[in-house]
Amino acid sequence: DSGVTQTPKHLITATGQRVTLRCSPRSGDLSVYWYQQSLDQGLQFLIQYYNGEERAKGNILERFSAQQFPDLHSELNLSSLELGDSALYFCASSAGMTGGMNTEAFFGQGTRLTVV
Amino acid sequence: QKEVEQDPGPLSVPEGAIVSLNCTYSNSAFQYFMWYRQYSRKGPELLMYTYSSGNKEDGRFTAQVDKSSKYISLFIRDSQPSDSATYLCAMSAGITDKLIFGTGTRLQVFP
Repeated sequence: DSGVTQTPKHLITATGQRVTLRCSPRSGDLSVYWYQQSLDQGLQFLIQYYNGEERAKGNILERFSAQQFPDLHSELNLSSLELGDSALYFCASSAGMTGGMNTEAFFGQGTRLTVV
Repeated sequence: QKEVEQDPGPLSVPEGAIVSLNCTYSNSAFQYFMWYRQYSRKGPELLMYTYSSGNKEDGRFTAQVDKSSKYISLFIRDSQPSDSATYLCAMSAGITDKLIFGTGTRLQVFP
C-alpha cells in the first residue's frame, strides 16, 4: 500500500458529462501529481500541485482542471467528457520539500474512467 | 517522435532467465532515470533510480544508463514469476522537473 488513496476506483459515465476524481496524498506529502494512462500514450503527466498551489502543468486539456485543498487532498475535474478521455487516472504524491518532482513519488491505485 | 520510446512487448521468459528491458530517448537534457514496476490494476512503484551515466545494482536488478547513446536498460537476473508486471522507464532533466514516462514493457515470467 503506497499510502495514496484515490476514489472512486471505477467510474462509468456518458459523453458530455462531468466527473470529479479525488486523491488523498500520503501523510506529510505536500506535492500531488495527476497522470493519465492510456494504452497508446502511456503515462502522461497532467498537472502538479504543491501545498495548494499549481506548480507545473503538462498535457492537460482545457476541459480538465484540478485543485489542491488546505488539507492537501486534490481533485481532478473532467468536463464535457469524450470517448477518448477513457483511461486510468493516477494520482501520485511526494514530500517535495523544494516543491518539485523528486524520485520518491508514490502512486495511488488509480481511477478507471470509462466514457460511453 | 516521442521523447521516450519503449518496446511494449509482451516479453515472455522462463523462470530463472535474465531479462533485459530498454528505453531510448531523444532529449539530451535528461539526467535522472527511473524504472517503475506496475502490477495489473495497481499504480506504478519506483524500482530503481540512477543519475547521469553508469550502473546501479540492487539485488537482482541492475540499471544502466548510456547517455552518449541515449539508451537506458534494466536487467533482471534469476527472474521470478512474481516479476511479471509492466516496467516503465521514466526520466527528467532536473530533480524538480516532471517525469516523462515510456509506454511500458509488459513482462511475463512463466514457471
